[in-house]
Amino acid sequence: GAVVSQHPSWVICKSGTSVKIECRSLDFQATTMFWYRQFPKQSLMLMATSNEGSKATYEQGVEKDKFLINHASLTLSTLTVTSAHPEDSSFYICSARARSGGAKLFFGSGTQLSVL
Amino acid sequence: DAKTTQPPSMDCAEGRAANLPCNHSTISGNEYVYWYRQIHSQGPQYIIHGLKNNETNEMASLIITEDRKSSTLILPHATLRDTAVYYCIVRVWAATDKLIFGTGTRLQVFP
Repeated sequence: GAVVSQHPSWVICKSGTSVKIECRSLDFQATTMFWYRQFPKQSLMLMATSNEGSKATYEQGVEKDKFLINHASLTLSTLTVTSAHPEDSSFYICSARARSGGAKLFFGSGTQLSVL
Repeated sequence: DAKTTQPPSMDCAEGRAANLPCNHSTISGNEYVYWYRQIHSQGPQYIIHGLKNNETNEMASLIITEDRKSSTLILPHATLRDTAVYYCIVRVWAATDKLIFGTGTRLQVFP
């Protein structure tokens, strides 16, 4: 089956620094990628939708200047948390939709971000 | 996307069948029923999907009622590794827009 690779699996950073999370579709072309955030014992919350070669669409309440999303190719999307603060600590998950895969999404394994 | 309703939690004994219900009374004729699950601290995993016929794969079976207003995901022989949150979502086949997760059902499989 289709595989989505997400790196890193976990990261600890100091407050004020920036962190980049990568999401790669390994064996298919992802026309659309989604970024989610999940707090403990809560459901996934969609942050933004990105289409290859175009600007990401952010959900209401998500700061686009803080969470920079780049989807430069059909196999790679990145999420950069800029000037991270402790409240940004969360589990971040990416997902990808294949060009010919219908509405089925494939998910990365997630990145646990801890900001000190 | 049509709204879905799932019980917040369920228990199941190991080796028994786990039957997870989902109500989607406002489902449209061209919307599919998708099931995903999320094991703790991992990304969601696709399980199965269907339109109106019952479906079965190596992971589970999906039973959709004739009026398509509800469905049941069946894990025929639950194991401890099936402990997870299960999400029922309805979507049109060619949906390219955002996938919104509800609260799902937290399935606890016990020895």
